[in-house]
Amino acid sequence: AQKITQTQPGMFVQEKEAVTLDCTYDTSDPSYGLFWYKQPSSGEMIFLIYQGSYDQQNATEGRYSLNFQKARKSANLVISASQLGDSAMYFCAMRANYGGSQGNLIFGKGTKLSVKP
Amino acid sequence: NAGVTQTPKFQVLKTGQSMTLQCAQDMNHEYMSWYRQDPGMGLRLIHYSVGAGITDQGEVPNGYNVSRSTTEDFPLRLLSAAPSQTSVYFCASSYRASPYNEQFFGPGTRLTVL
Repeated sequence: AQKITQTQPGMFVQEKEAVTLDCTYDTSDPSYGLFWYKQPSSGEMIFLIYQGSYDQQNATEGRYSLNFQKARKSANLVISASQLGDSAMYFCAMRANYGGSQGNLIFGKGTKLSVKP
Repeated sequence: NAGVTQTPKFQVLKTGQSMTLQCAQDMNHEYMSWYRQDPGMGLRLIHYSVGAGITDQGEVPNGYNVSRSTTEDFPLRLLSAAPSQTSVYFCASSYRASPYNEQFFGPGTRLTVL
């Protein structure tokens, strides 16, 4: 079965420091994509970063990077130089084609990040 | 491009009423989907479509119907609303049903069933 696990319900980080949000996944499909979304208090879902299962390099997008460890099935999000505007809910998600799922997104339960001034 | 649009933003229904949540995208995406978000549960897939005329069930399809007559539109119908359907509903789309395409989300509809 496909599954995403986020073990940190909530985290605090000091402004300007780096923070790592954990995500582990489970799939038997060799072709999959891993995604991180941000949901601020206003409610919209904002796509942050993507990593493909065959990508050799870790993905980076500005202050966001994805620490992809395929053997450990982990895809942690690293936010560098945290800002107050980073306070939000963060979701890890996966798309695979296993069992005819047609590439549907499976989400973890999320991590609530609070940035302290 | 407007991206993915959803209407209405908020809705209150009484138990037993029916309604349709609208979703449209102007990016010519093949894949569209509906999710519901409940506190502490993340997002769960209700129904999805890989192209016009093709729909299928997701994880939590009971009580909902969908159709996809055009590439752009993917409405979600609540047949007989129940309090358990109180939730935030998101529509999303992607270029294809591929592990390598990100999904773009609409702004959401907050539904309350009394």
